[in-house]
Amino acid sequence: GQNIDQPTEMTATEGAIVQINCTYQTSGFNGLFWYQQHAGEAPTFLSYNVLDGLEEKGRFSSFLSRSKGYSYLLLKELQMKDSASYLCAVKGPRSNDYKLSFGAGTTVTVRA
Amino acid sequence: ETGVTQSPTHLIKTRGQQVTLRCSSQSGHNTVSWYQQALGQGPQFIFQYYREEENGRGNFPPRFSGLQFPNYSSELNVNALELDDSALYLCASSFIGAGQQQPQHFGDGTRLSIL
Repeated sequence: GQNIDQPTEMTATEGAIVQINCTYQTSGFNGLFWYQQHAGEAPTFLSYNVLDGLEEKGRFSSFLSRSKGYSYLLLKELQMKDSASYLCAVKGPRSNDYKLSFGAGTTVTVRA
Repeated sequence: ETGVTQSPTHLIKTRGQQVTLRCSSQSGHNTVSWYQQALGQGPQFIFQYYREEENGRGNFPPRFSGLQFPNYSSELNVNALELDDSALYLCASSFIGAGQQQPQHFGDGTRLSIL
């Protein structure tokens, strides 16, 4: 089975940094995704990690440790528009399918 | 580039009825996945279609069924609707090719309410 855990809520100040952690226990692993979802909208792709290490994309970075079953999403220079739910998703268990198992999401609130 | 589009946007049904939700995949994509998202939860995988065949299924009963058409668009059918089926239904498309897999791109979803 798939078990993916992330904090329910986080609050931070505009301009600050926030780190959203995700731990997973899955029957197979073929990569980890982070998506952003604003209320009432579609999830939008942020990052993908399949190998250990840090992937940086502008203000957003994502880290993966496969041996620890752990990932984090780092949001720098927070802006009001970053207030959203952030979803951690594991791909697998087979390498030839595209099943994503999602966590419940972390609601980030950015305050002025 | 046309993104993933879903119809209808909102739908209200009663228990026991049947519903069909539609999805047009993003141009160039050949795989469609359907997810159910309850309020305050992450999306739950229903099933995936690749080359018009089911290519994986989540923990959903057989009354959830689907189709993928030659143009890669897709339908989700749900029979004998139950109150717990009230949710946002998301369609996601992606491209799977020789040694290449791209991130899934989601549509805005269909909000289904069962009375």
